[in-house]
Amino acid sequence: GQQLNQSPQSMFIQEGEDVSMNCTSSSIFNTWLWYKQDPGEGPVLLIALYKAGELTSNGRLTAQFGITRKDSFLNISASIPSDVGIYFCAGTPFSYQLTFGKGTKLSVIP
Amino acid sequence: DTGVSQDPRHKITKRGQNVTFRCDPISEHNRLYWYRQTLGQGPEFLTYFQNEAQLEKSRLLSDRFSAERPKGSFSTLEIQRTEQGDSAMYLCASSPRTSGRTGELFFGEGSRLTVL
Repeated sequence: GQQLNQSPQSMFIQEGEDVSMNCTSSSIFNTWLWYKQDPGEGPVLLIALYKAGELTSNGRLTAQFGITRKDSFLNISASIPSDVGIYFCAGTPFSYQLTFGKGTKLSVIP
Repeated sequence: DTGVSQDPRHKITKRGQNVTFRCDPISEHNRLYWYRQTLGQGPEFLTYFQNEAQLEKSRLLSDRFSAERPKGSFSTLEIQRTEQGDSAMYLCASSPRTSGRTGELFFGEGSRLTVL
């Protein structure tokens, strides 16, 4: 089955710093998505990507769909305390069955 | 609140008992999904409904698991003869009928199951 490798597993950063995390797949995806999950809550969609090479922003967040269709990255600029949480990449080739990465746990030090 | 609603939020049960979770999706969404999430992992797909039809099922969904969406609105996920390995967060999500926007899911807060 498909597997997603998400890195890093965790990050500790100072408030105001930029953050970068990425995800690679063993197979080609036609959709890449990034979700954030706070403790005790369900994941919330941040950004969706549908075309290879696509670069999409949502406020301080920027994500890219890799041209090989096997990777994606997420950048967060000027981090703030409320950015704390677990960030998941997810993807799918064609079906409605999403495959999620194991997540990147972000901690922001004020 | 017009988000995805799940009930109960927490369930503790003894091994061998049956449990049922309910999900009420966002009212105008015709697609509904169940995922399972264990500690330190991302959500894993279990099953997908379009209206009342169950269109996809994961191999993770053993014969002890059954999901229904009888009228194309709310859904139930039943686990029979629970095992300790069933302990997890069970997440429900819904999405509207929007072509080409696969994966844009709205998740509920989850139902956490603990099997003793």
